[in-house]
Amino acid sequence: DADVTQTPRNRITKTGKRIMLECSQTKGHDRMYWYRQDPGLGLRLIYYSFDVKDINKGEISDGYSVSRQAQAKFSLSLESAIPNQTALYFCATSEPGQGTDTQYFGPGTRLTVL
Amino acid sequence: AQSVSQHNHHVILSEAASLELGCNYSYGGTVNLFWYVQYPGQHLQLLLKYFSGDPLVKGIKGFEAEFIKSKFSFNLRKPSVQWSDTAEYFCAVNARSGNTGKLIFGQGTTLQVKP
Repeated sequence: DADVTQTPRNRITKTGKRIMLECSQTKGHDRMYWYRQDPGLGLRLIYYSFDVKDINKGEISDGYSVSRQAQAKFSLSLESAIPNQTALYFCATSEPGQGTDTQYFGPGTRLTVL
Repeated sequence: AQSVSQHNHHVILSEAASLELGCNYSYGGTVNLFWYVQYPGQHLQLLLKYFSGDPLVKGIKGFEAEFIKSKFSFNLRKPSVQWSDTAEYFCAVNARSGNTGKLIFGQGTTLQVKP
């Protein structure tokens, strides 16, 4: 869905490096999310944000940080990458509907940490 | 804590066969239910969703799902699969209360359709 874009699409890095993954959306949604996907585990929530001043930890936030620079931009950082952070990372957006959010996903970033 | 379980991890079918993928969730309150599909190399796309009303929900590409509240289930069905349905399928749930929108995903089911 071109409304949610992620950069880069693929990244190979080394242990200990700082990495930033970026997400932009043109849907005008207030809510944004970062997930990681691992084989056999589905998607797990890392962080989420309901507006520019709101940041919340998800299920697996250790080793990650985020920044909500604007309504349309939500970045995920790995301060010191480690091999078990090798995964597929997805950004998603949603517009709250009184408890009936539907999330829309970006194309994903495949990160490999050597 | 909420959890979602997909019983079939890998399903192989021939074209025209019928499909049913199981999904059960664990949560005592009101939930919203979703099925997403991920075609090879692509991002997740919404297949269908259930918020309220008719428990039989129809989605895109001929898929449907039935919410059975007493069984905490939301199984995905398609009467006749096509080779192009080869993909990974995810069931997901979020709790209506709190209005956080956070999704809990199942482990995923890989569907392989043989031509």
